[in-house]
Amino acid sequence: GAVVSQHPSRVICKSGTSVKIECRSLDFQATTMFWYRQFPKQSLMLMATSNEGSKATYEQGVEKDKFLINHASLTLSTLTVTSAHPEDSSFYICSAARGSGSSYNEQFFGPGTRLTVL
Amino acid sequence: KNQVEQSPQSLIILEGKNCTLQCNYTVSPFSNLRWYKQDTGRGPVSLTIMTFSENTKSNGRYTATLDADTKQSSLHITASQLSDSASYICVVSASGGSYIPTFGRGTSLIVHP
Repeated sequence: GAVVSQHPSRVICKSGTSVKIECRSLDFQATTMFWYRQFPKQSLMLMATSNEGSKATYEQGVEKDKFLINHASLTLSTLTVTSAHPEDSSFYICSAARGSGSSYNEQFFGPGTRLTVL
Repeated sequence: KNQVEQSPQSLIILEGKNCTLQCNYTVSPFSNLRWYKQDTGRGPVSLTIMTFSENTKSNGRYTATLDADTKQSSLHITASQLSDSASYICVVSASGGSYIPTFGRGTSLIVHP
């Protein structure tokens, strides 16, 4: 159990366009989902925390108007990169948290989405 | 400030050999520590998770240890295989409040035939 999917796995777009990435928890309900960005040979960098039914909490330095996050249900969160530029090219990974109490910290990661902006 | 430091940054070993990866952390109060394996171009996959009271945990050829007093953990890989080539990430979570974990930068392991 605890499977998280992402779609698409790869996307190539032109500069100035918007791209939407979906993150789904397939076999559990996730009240909280996280979005990360990872540049080559670097660790995951948390972009934002998304709670179902409320606004996302963005990390310092992440533009909320550029990276739109919607968490409309307990199994789906979306990240939209608006007006994408080549510097937005990266590996975007989502994760979903399951449970409560001490187990609330456990996150299950999606397979990632490779975004290339031309 | 919560920090997780991993060493070495990269490691190259021959197939069949053992290796040990290190993780030091300053996260407090400590809740749990996890080791993830991340293949290139894929999301991280959990290998082990340990809480304060656990000293060691195994998952096949992977054995993680935890010393909560010195705030150190290690991941030992036995009889390495080519498929072990990946980045290994140490992630530490604090208890009480924020459940956002602190990630290490990872150790890149390459196993050569």
